[in-house]
Amino acid sequence: DTGVSQDPRHKITKRGQNVTFRCDPISEHNRLYWYRQTLGQGPEFLTYFQNEAQLEKSRLLSDRFSAERPKGSFSTLEIQRTEQGDSAMYLCASSYPWEGGEQYFGPGTRLTVT
Amino acid sequence: DAKTTQPNSMESNEEEPVHLPCNHSTISGTDYIHWYRQLPSQGPEYVIHGLTSNVNNRMASLAIAEDRKSSTLILHRATLRDAAVYYCIPVVGSGNTGKLIFGQGTTLQVKP
Repeated sequence: DTGVSQDPRHKITKRGQNVTFRCDPISEHNRLYWYRQTLGQGPEFLTYFQNEAQLEKSRLLSDRFSAERPKGSFSTLEIQRTEQGDSAMYLCASSYPWEGGEQYFGPGTRLTVT
Repeated sequence: DAKTTQPNSMESNEEEPVHLPCNHSTISGTDYIHWYRQLPSQGPEYVIHGLTSNVNNRMASLAIAEDRKSSTLILHRATLRDAAVYYCIPVVGSGNTGKLIFGQGTTLQVKP
């Protein structure tokens, strides 16, 4: 297994455009998380899936953001009508479902909104 | 969510041990204590976690105070590759999502 992968690694977009990011978790992991990290800060939790069910969303996840995990494998995070404040690193992580299980992170997608 | 307090930064010399402290006085009895680190321009990396007993793995050791209000991550021989931001994170146990709430962490500098 090659770990968690994310695509693209970098995305530059103009304000107002829509963007979509993909995350492929470790294949045996049924928990999947999205986080966002701005410069100089620790990552912030955005949303969580167990299999295909989205079970928790942060208040940070405005209605311009939507995440899916249609078959319980890969996940997508879409941002509609991007704003400059959306510029950040978007991180995906996956884990087994047991208590206290560690998370494995992907390399992230760096989004720059101009 | 339990609050954590970590020093903003620490320095170490290469090949010397490093002790990274974390206070988590509001932790509940079922919260696990996780440590992650983040190297520059990379996603966070899991280091170690524990509940009550001290833990060892190939990367580090975790010493948990008897009252569980603090813990210390121990790197036995620091290398240049260990320069990173280290995060101490209480993770709610039973019946929870396991989401991670990151603080500011400790930036570790390792001098050659």
